[in-house]
Amino acid sequence: AQSVTQPDARVTVSEGASLQLRCKYSYSATPYLFWYVQYPRQGLQMLLKYYSGDPVVQGVNGFEAEFSKSDSSFHLRKASVHWSDSAVYFCAVSYNYAQGLTFGLGTRVSVFP
Amino acid sequence: EAAVTQSPRSKVAVTGGKVTLSCHQTNNHDYMYWYRQDTGHGLRLIHYSYVADSTEKGDIPDGYKASRPSQENFSLILELASLSQTAVYFCASSPTGKNTLYFGAGTRLSVL
Repeated sequence: AQSVTQPDARVTVSEGASLQLRCKYSYSATPYLFWYVQYPRQGLQMLLKYYSGDPVVQGVNGFEAEFSKSDSSFHLRKASVHWSDSAVYFCAVSYNYAQGLTFGLGTRVSVFP
Repeated sequence: EAAVTQSPRSKVAVTGGKVTLSCHQTNNHDYMYWYRQDTGHGLRLIHYSYVADSTEKGDIPDGYKASRPSQENFSLILELASLSQTAVYFCASSPTGKNTLYFGAGTRLSVL
């Protein structure tokens, strides 16, 4: 069965610093890959998605992610974080659009001034 | 405007009681999903539907029923609520052939 691993449960960064969140998936084929963000007391919102083409994909609010087939990874990056980026970030995969997404456990990001 | 609306936003239920969580979407999407979110488990798929009057089991369907009376509405039903069903429940919709889910704001359910 497919699985998604986000090894970091919590990340703390200073405002203006760079951010990288790690994600690895487990499956023989390349799935659709996603990053979602959940702000406090809200639902999830998609930041970006990847299926094929350029391994670096751009998302909203300055986020980007890089796909690596050899490493089965899809890491999320942001060059300079703002306090408003404090949220929980979920990596997700899909192999069959009909059956929704499989999510990782999430990484809680706290940005301090 | 919110395209996926869940009601209620929070609910306290008694063990053994019946609970119905409702979801309404204005996205004109065929697919709808129910997930639960628990600390340490992330989001897990309970039921989904790709057409009115039909529902499918997800990864953790035990103890839950779903109902899709129309394209816009998708309900999650707990016939006999249990303590272990305390969680935050999210509804989402998705267009056919796409992999992008649009989530509601969630329902926080506490079973006492």
